[in-house]
Amino acid sequence: DAGVTQSPTHLIKTRGQQVTLRCSPKSGHDTVSWYQQALGQGPQFIFQYYEEEERQRGNFPDRFSGHQFPNYSSELNVNALLLGDSALYLCASSRVDFGGYTFGSGTRLTVV
Amino acid sequence: GIQVEQSPPDLILQEGANSTLRCNFSDSVNNLQWFHQNPWGQLINLFYIPSGTKQNGRLSATTVATERYSLLYISSSQTTDSGVYFCAVELESGYSTLTFGKGTMLLVSP
Repeated sequence: DAGVTQSPTHLIKTRGQQVTLRCSPKSGHDTVSWYQQALGQGPQFIFQYYEEEERQRGNFPDRFSGHQFPNYSSELNVNALLLGDSALYLCASSRVDFGGYTFGSGTRLTVV
Repeated sequence: GIQVEQSPPDLILQEGANSTLRCNFSDSVNNLQWFHQNPWGQLINLFYIPSGTKQNGRLSATTVATERYSLLYISSSQTTDSGVYFCAVELESGYSTLTFGKGTMLLVSP
């Protein structure tokens, strides 16, 4: 049973560029959440998708957007990259209204 | 929003020692998870424990929901236990999302 899969594992982008990160949830999970983890900090909630809709959003600007597909996989898009967007981006999947989140290995984004 | 505080922030142990990590939270929760983040960034779920006590090998956890705290016990620590331990909670009301503490950095030396 595959867990949460994220791609790519590492990425280097230039300021002002756009980036797309991808996540496939654990089998049986229908909800995908995205988190940003800066160096030395705990993960911060970006947004959550369920039934292809953004269900909840954290305190992140509109440059951060997402999408969920019918197969429950999800993408995180970040536009107009800033140096401060450099972080580990984590995807977590869960079943709606059922406890427990499973995290992927993350995508480490470096903006130069 | 809900506040999650972990202590201690850093911990250095000799191999074989025992330790207790604490997580305090400010509101009623319906989910609490302990994670271990390895050096590659992977968050490994240790326990899903909104209340009660669970054990898994050398690790055990207790959550006292009425007093809003949880404890993670590590016995006979090994060097492979090194890393950052996070407590994360999910509010009882509203949509579900995890709020993380700042973590406890554990270093186990041989």
